[in-house]
Amino acid sequence: EAGVAQSPRYKIIEKRQSVAFWCNPISGHATLYWYQQILGQGPKLLIQFQNNGVVDDSQLPKDRFSAERLKGVDSTLKIQPAKLEDSAVYLCASSTTSHVKTQYFGPGTRLLVL
Amino acid sequence: SQQGEEDPQALSIQEGENATMNCSYKTSINNLQWYRQNSGRGLVHLILIRSNEREKHSGRLRVTLDTSKKSSSLLITASRAADTASYFCATDTLQGAQKLVFGQGTRLTINP
Repeated sequence: EAGVAQSPRYKIIEKRQSVAFWCNPISGHATLYWYQQILGQGPKLLIQFQNNGVVDDSQLPKDRFSAERLKGVDSTLKIQPAKLEDSAVYLCASSTTSHVKTQYFGPGTRLLVL
Repeated sequence: SQQGEEDPQALSIQEGENATMNCSYKTSINNLQWYRQNSGRGLVHLILIRSNEREKHSGRLRVTLDTSKKSSSLLITASRAADTASYFCATDTLQGAQKLVFGQGTRLTINP
């Protein structure tokens, strides 16, 4: 079974630029999560999708972050404009249903904002 | 906000020794999960323990849960160099939307 795919693996941008991350979950997984993990901390949930609908985006900075999951499969997370404090690893995960069970994580995208 | 707090933040032991990590949380939970993260990688699920369970085993892993103290521990027996990683507890709370809230993690180093 193929795992969660993410791209790019690394991205370096200057502040105020925009950036987009892509995630393809495990086939058949209805729930998709985006996390932000700052160095030395645990992952923080940014947004949770159930199919193509948003279940929880309470910690998503909506003035600069946006995410979509068209057709309920792959997803993109965008930051516009980026700030220095957005430097982090962005992790995508998926699970079988919205009821919390085991989450399967991708390798993450490491973002550095200069 | 972080629900779980791992202790210690860092742990360094010799190969073959046992490693114990602790996690404390604040609000009532449905279940508690432990994940491992190797450097530069995503998280890997290790074990899930439900709120009505007290102990669970998986290979060299032993997890305990004390809901009265709102705490859990992860024991890795006969540690190996490959166990070097960060370990996170994650709680699925009863309040609000069902989602996992991760702690800060314990960074475990196994010295050969």
